[in-house]
Amino acid sequence: DTEVTQTPKHLVMGMTNKKSLKCEQHMGHRAMYWYKQKAKKPPELMFVYSYEKLSINESVPSRFSPECPNSSLLNLHLHALQPEDSALYLCASSRIGRGTANTGELFFGEGSRLTVL
Amino acid sequence: GQQVMQIPQYQHVQEGEDFTTYCNSSTTLSNIQWYKQRPGGHPVFLIQLVKSGEVKKQKRLTFQFGEAKKNSSLHITATQTTDVGTYFCAGRPLSGTYKYIFGTGTRLKVLA
Repeated sequence: DTEVTQTPKHLVMGMTNKKSLKCEQHMGHRAMYWYKQKAKKPPELMFVYSYEKLSINESVPSRFSPECPNSSLLNLHLHALQPEDSALYLCASSRIGRGTANTGELFFGEGSRLTVL
Repeated sequence: GQQVMQIPQYQHVQEGEDFTTYCNSSTTLSNIQWYKQRPGGHPVFLIQLVKSGEVKKQKRLTFQFGEAKKNSSLHITATQTTDVGTYFCAGRPLSGTYKYIFGTGTRLKVLA
């Protein structure tokens, strides 16, 4: 079980579709992340929000559009994706603390497995 | 760019044998975390190391952070079938507050 909830768990979409992935956490974490993970590969950071503002965009194509409506929710809007975008999309959250280790552990959701046809 | 490599890529061990995975960063890290991902699952946090030369133990798991804060290791004593999964280190560069770079991972299989 995880305290970060992602929906949907599975998504199949065509290249012309528009869909959204959703993520929710109620741990009071003020940092939220989107990672992309291909099979047998490590998670790759896509976006980071801190205090509901976009802090990091790892040069992600514009067909991925993140949104953080409030401190508990994180969305990833998908439009005109390519088959190579098929992957497991992981949402994570962490606290923002003080000092050198100023982010705690990442709490991951179970992921949304996306297939683009 | 910054890279975090892990060796070995795969490891098969007999149940009861020990296992070690090594993590090496191309740049100095602020801190490092370790995660375990079971097959079909999501990464789960194991531990965080912050200080140079730090050693932490969790039951059969021993974690080390190198003196130069560029490498780390995870050692499992007497592996069990429940240890199966992929172990990732995740390093935070000195310049990156929220950015953790995941290592390439070591996939562990334990044969009963």
